[in-house]
Amino acid sequence: DIQMTQSPASLSASLEEIVTITCQASQDIGNWLSWYQQKPGKSPQLLIYGATSLADGVPSRFSGSRSGTQYSLKISRLQVEDIGIYYCLQAYSAPNTFGAGTKLELK
Amino acid sequence: EVQLQESGPGLVKPSQSLSLTCSVTGYSITSNYWGWIRKFPGNKMEWMGYISYSGSTSYNPSLKSRISITRDTSKNQFFLQLNSVTTEDTATYYCARSGLLRFMDAWGQGASVTVSS
Repeated sequence: DIQMTQSPASLSASLEEIVTITCQASQDIGNWLSWYQQKPGKSPQLLIYGATSLADGVPSRFSGSRSGTQYSLKISRLQVEDIGIYYCLQAYSAPNTFGAGTKLELK
Repeated sequence: EVQLQESGPGLVKPSQSLSLTCSVTGYSITSNYWGWIRKFPGNKMEWMGYISYSGSTSYNPSLKSRISITRDTSKNQFFLQLNSVTTEDTATYYCARSGLLRFMDAWGQGASVTVSS
């Protein structure tokens, strides 16, 4: 199985701060990488697909990037509603595998 | 707008089978891919498998022969069955839609299942 090493496990940041979460794939997965946000008590929601494409309705402060087998999710100006857990998911090969998640809190 | 909703027992005894239904409205399950994902206490997420628009299936090998995903196109529902459950299967189970690009763009609200005697 492809391993997705996600970091950090938790993150405390201030409003308007820039936040970056990364996932390192254990092998080449191309652009078969998506990011999800799960707010407390809610189901996961798609943020980014194809490593860099913004999903419909997602604020433009979210962006995704790729450098080799490292993938990053950036929140350019953290807002209160961005609090939650973030996951990456590789779908290059079955079984699809998630990162361990990053819990984002307000400082 | 597509909507998915999981339903099924919230408590299952060890060694028994877990059965969940995902009811889909606003979109036909004869298109796209329809999967099950679970989230364990402690936040780990696991992709369990999917059933495709044609009825073919793909499962996570970690679940070996315990898992089965089926569908009823007349009711626009698909189903998860997980056999021989243990306490390790306690989780929130989500159904979701994905497409050719394999990202999940619609999720159910989740069904919490506890395995306990």
